[in-house]
Amino acid sequence: EVQLVESGGGLVQPGGSLRLSCAASGFALSDHNMNWVRQAPGKGLEWVAYISRTATTIYYADSVKGRFTISRDNAKNSLYLQMNSLRDEDTALYYCARLTGWTGDYWGQGTLVAVSS
Amino acid sequence: EIVLTQSPGTLSLSPGETATLSCRASQTVTNNYLVWYQQKPGQAPRLLIDDASRRAAGIPDRFSGSGSGTDFTLTISRLEPEDFAVYYCHQCAHSPWTFGQGTRVEVK
Repeated sequence: EVQLVESGGGLVQPGGSLRLSCAASGFALSDHNMNWVRQAPGKGLEWVAYISRTATTIYYADSVKGRFTISRDNAKNSLYLQMNSLRDEDTALYYCARLTGWTGDYWGQGTLVAVSS
Repeated sequence: EIVLTQSPGTLSLSPGETATLSCRASQTVTNNYLVWYQQKPGQAPRLLIDDASRRAAGIPDRFSGSGSGTDFTLTISRLEPEDFAVYYCHQCAHSPWTFGQGTRVEVK
């Protein structure tokens, strides 16, 4: 069974940092490109970052470029999102999503990031 | 950036009725890389349709997607109680990938 489990969220002050993890099971992470997508409380979905299977291609949303870094460790079947210089507007539930082709076919349940002083 | 506009914002229907949801793109979605997701409260999005019209594994045939270019439609025939949720369209043809703002299908 395909499973994605996010962790690492929490309460952080503006300007602070967090590192999110996404543990994959039931499939080989190395076979799939991956996305991070977030959802602010009561709002819609916003794509955050993309990483190809071997990390040779990486894209970011303009809203996080220069502050967030996506990475992966295929040997550990894990995906990461390093978030620096956090802002109030980064408060959201962060999902990792497996891509098959360009489609996010499996999503984790998300980890909540709250940025507040 | 491709902006996706969904309409209506809210659809109030009764079980057994048909829901028609629209998603309009600000520019052509190449290869019809248009996806529909369903999201229920407290749950992650669930893939329904990709490539504009291909149902994902395990999705009932009352869900159907159509359209091409800039205009796309999700149709839910014979609404079941479990279909009342928020639906998002999503384009994965061009970075930055974008989502529509969602259509809520609620019980009338």
